[in-house]
Amino acid sequence: DAGVTQSPTHLIKTRGQHVTLRCSPISGHKSVSWYQQVLGQGPQFIFQYYEKEERGRGNFPDRFSARQFPNYSSELNVNALLLGDSALYLCASSPVEIRSNQPQHFGDGTRLSIL
Amino acid sequence: AQSVAQPEDQVNVAEGNPLTVKCTYSVSGNPYLFWYVQYPNRGLQFLLKYITGDNLVKGSYGFEAEFNKSQTSFHLKKPSALVSDSALYFCAVRDNPRAEYGNKLVFGAGTILRVKS
Repeated sequence: DAGVTQSPTHLIKTRGQHVTLRCSPISGHKSVSWYQQVLGQGPQFIFQYYEKEERGRGNFPDRFSARQFPNYSSELNVNALLLGDSALYLCASSPVEIRSNQPQHFGDGTRLSIL
Repeated sequence: AQSVAQPEDQVNVAEGNPLTVKCTYSVSGNPYLFWYVQYPNRGLQFLLKYITGDNLVKGSYGFEAEFNKSQTSFHLKKPSALVSDSALYFCAVRDNPRAEYGNKLVFGAGTILRVKS
């Protein structure tokens, strides 16, 4: 079975631009989460979606937004890009949401570089 | 708020020797703990988890972890290290296991493991 897939793998943008990152979860997984991993740090939680609704939000500005589609795939959008947004953006999926103890499975990420 | 500390930025070990990567946690209530590994230019791979039950948890690739409630630790171990184990290791705790929704993970800063032949 295919794992979590993310696109694109790499992206270069300039300050002020907008970016959309995409994620397809493992088949059968209904929950998708987004994390930002800055070089040298652990991943930081951005959003979680389940059944197309936002179920959790981390400490990120409103420039960050996301949505989940009926097929459970997801997009992360970032507006007005800043140099500090340069990071590896990771998508994770898990099969069950409510009080779940299932591990999250991560994709290989999108490396975003802001010039 | 939940938090995780990985006190060592880097651990060096010779191939064939046992390895330990340390993790301590701070949570309210019972912890849900995880270990992930990250290879260069890759995402995170799940190794093992502790939810409840035996304090010694066995996971993928010969790794195991020991949960110690009194010391609030969840150290990752392997009896015999391989060069291919060299990678970045993350300890994580679920933010609020009792929440109906939200399985947000809180990660430590990571520990680089270098295994030399």
